[in-house]
Amino acid sequence: QKEVEQNSGPLSVPEGAIASLNCTYSDRGSQSFFWYRQYSGKSPELIMSIYSNGDKEDGRFTAQLNKASQYVSLLIRDSQPSDSATYLCAVSASRGSTLGRLYFGRGTQLTVWP
Amino acid sequence: EAQVTQNPRYLITVTGKKLTVTCSQNMNHEYMSWYRQDPGLGLRQIYYSMNVEVTDKGDVPEGYKVSRKEKRNFPLILESPSPNQTSLYFCASTRGGPYNEQFFGPGTRLTVL
Repeated sequence: QKEVEQNSGPLSVPEGAIASLNCTYSDRGSQSFFWYRQYSGKSPELIMSIYSNGDKEDGRFTAQLNKASQYVSLLIRDSQPSDSATYLCAVSASRGSTLGRLYFGRGTQLTVWP
Repeated sequence: EAQVTQNPRYLITVTGKKLTVTCSQNMNHEYMSWYRQDPGLGLRQIYYSMNVEVTDKGDVPEGYKVSRKEKRNFPLILESPSPNQTSLYFCASTRGGPYNEQFFGPGTRLTVL
């Protein structure tokens, strides 16, 4: 069973602060890593994907990947109340019959207060 | 518009009454999945399909069936629903190649009485 662990939260930050979300994974062969945002009762929405070590920035979001440490993180700069949601980390299966499958963490609930 | 659609969005039914939740994608993706989401348990994969006529069990397949007769459609069948299948269900399809980006349908909230 592939494992994806996220900091359990909930995480609460003031508006304008940096929110930091963390994720570790067990499958050393994983090649693709994703962050999804999910509002209550809605479907997960892909917000970031990262495939190589280092940082990837998209607007206020930065994903960081360290394959040696099997660690991926998401930073949200200038957090807004509209960022309040549950954030899901997802990691791809490495190879073989499960290629294409994603393994999800249980999510971290983020609240941004005005 | 590229999308994954599910129907119905909401369903209340009774124990033992067979039901089907439809899922369709217009992105020509080969890989499709069904998940259920329950409070505190996260997303759990029920079944997945790597292509037409190729399906396999996920982590929680008991009580569910699927079929993949066409690339775009992947229905979820509950032959004899029970109250423990009350949940929020998501269909998803995955872009192939090295990227594996997965896109979700809007969800189906099922209540089994």
